Amino acid sequence: QVQLVQSGAEVKKPGSSVRISCKASGRTFSNHPINWVRQAPGQGLEWVGRIIPVLGTTDYAQKFQGRVTITADETTSTAFMALNNLKSDDTAVFYCARDGGSFDLEYWGQGTLVTVSS
Amino acid sequence: SYELTQPLSVSVALGQTARITCGGSGIGTKIVHWYQQRPGQAPVLVIYRNNNRPSGIPERFSGSNSGHTATLTISRPQAGDEADYYCQVWDSNHVVFGGGTKLTVL
Repeated sequence: QVQLVQSGAEVKKPGSSVRISCKASGRTFSNHPINWVRQAPGQGLEWVGRIIPVLGTTDYAQKFQGRVTITADETTSTAFMALNNLKSDDTAVFYCARDGGSFDLEYWGQGTLVTVSS
Repeated sequence: SYELTQPLSVSVALGQTARITCGGSGIGTKIVHWYQQRPGQAPVLVIYRNNNRPSGIPERFSGSNSGHTATLTISRPQAGDEADYYCQVWDSNHVVFGGGTKLTVL
């Protein structure tokens, strides 16, 4: 069974950056895309982007292009999402989720709350 | 960019059948996945590739996809099925989510 464990909650100032980690169990980390999804309070799911760890290739939602960087470390089976120039409306829970093979998000992390406040 | 449209809310009486729709241009040519999200929890995949259930998902969950509408059907929903439901497709190298539907079981 695949498990994704994310780093803890963060409180950040506007204009700063945040980096969240997502550690995967199991031996199939490299071949399956890891996605990042944002959910603002009371709102729906919003895709941020994804990485294919074995290739290092990334795709980003246009909304976050230029402000987000997704990376992966195959040696530790860990994916990272860095978001720069934080604004108050970036306050949200961020989830990592592993692709199941059909562009579905089969396994999800527990979520990381990022609070942006002055 | 591709858009998916879901009703904000659906209500269903115990013992009836709940149907949650997901509209999109030519969605029948795409592969649709569905997620359940209970309050305070991470989403859970309940239907993948239009009509397949992951292990552990009850048989009362099913899916269909044709034309411009995909549908998640929950037969005889239980109180524990009250949750938000999201459809999702892959389009132009992007994951696209519907806006979500809140299911209320009366």
